[in-house]
Amino acid sequence: DAKTTQPPSMDCAEGRAANLPCNHSTISGNEYVYWYRQIHSQGPQYIIHGLKNNETNEMASLIITEDRKSSTLILPHATLRDTAVYYCIVRVGGGNAGNMLTFGGGTRLMVKP
Amino acid sequence: GAVVSQHPSWVICKSGTSVKIECRSLDFQATTMFWYRQFPKQSLMLMATSNEGSKATYEQGVEKDKFLINHASLTLSTLTVTSAHPEDSSFYICSARDHRDEQFFGPGTRLTVL
Repeated sequence: DAKTTQPPSMDCAEGRAANLPCNHSTISGNEYVYWYRQIHSQGPQYIIHGLKNNETNEMASLIITEDRKSSTLILPHATLRDTAVYYCIVRVGGGNAGNMLTFGGGTRLMVKP
Repeated sequence: GAVVSQHPSWVICKSGTSVKIECRSLDFQATTMFWYRQFPKQSLMLMATSNEGSKATYEQGVEKDKFLINHASLTLSTLTVTSAHPEDSSFYICSARDHRDEQFFGPGTRLTVL
């Protein structure tokens, strides 16, 4: 799976949008971009994933650049409960061709009052 | 979403004893489950891939005789840490893959070896 690069930490004010970047310049055509987060002392929680189109769900939006070499996870109105480590992972997805998830360092997001 | 449980959520044991951790997929069948380990302030590291009815595949550097994995059914995988030592103290997390190849994580088990 392609490697990803994320900033180690970010701060965000409560109520504001949190924009978390991820670089994946070696991504292959059949690899998806996945985002998970891990709140302290809990298992990772799935947030969103996409291939090339922008995606939105009840938790977040995922913006993928046209060349697919980077993406941004957007939490539109961050709350204190969004404080967590956010992991950007690229992997082959779908059907029986999927691989395990390989976690990098992630971004530690601190939402402040 | 799909739910994965782990038991126990935390365990404290004496050095030299063995500890079994269970991972269950509650509302779906998982032919593949994964076991991760996470040390403080570090990321998750994959230990092994567990396939129902067959032997687990261990990552490089993970001792298969120390970390015994059994995946006897489509909803249960167990990890046994044999002859545990303080350096085995860690946060152990499992995940289960469903038929759509999506992975769902358990809440983790914190092991402390005295």
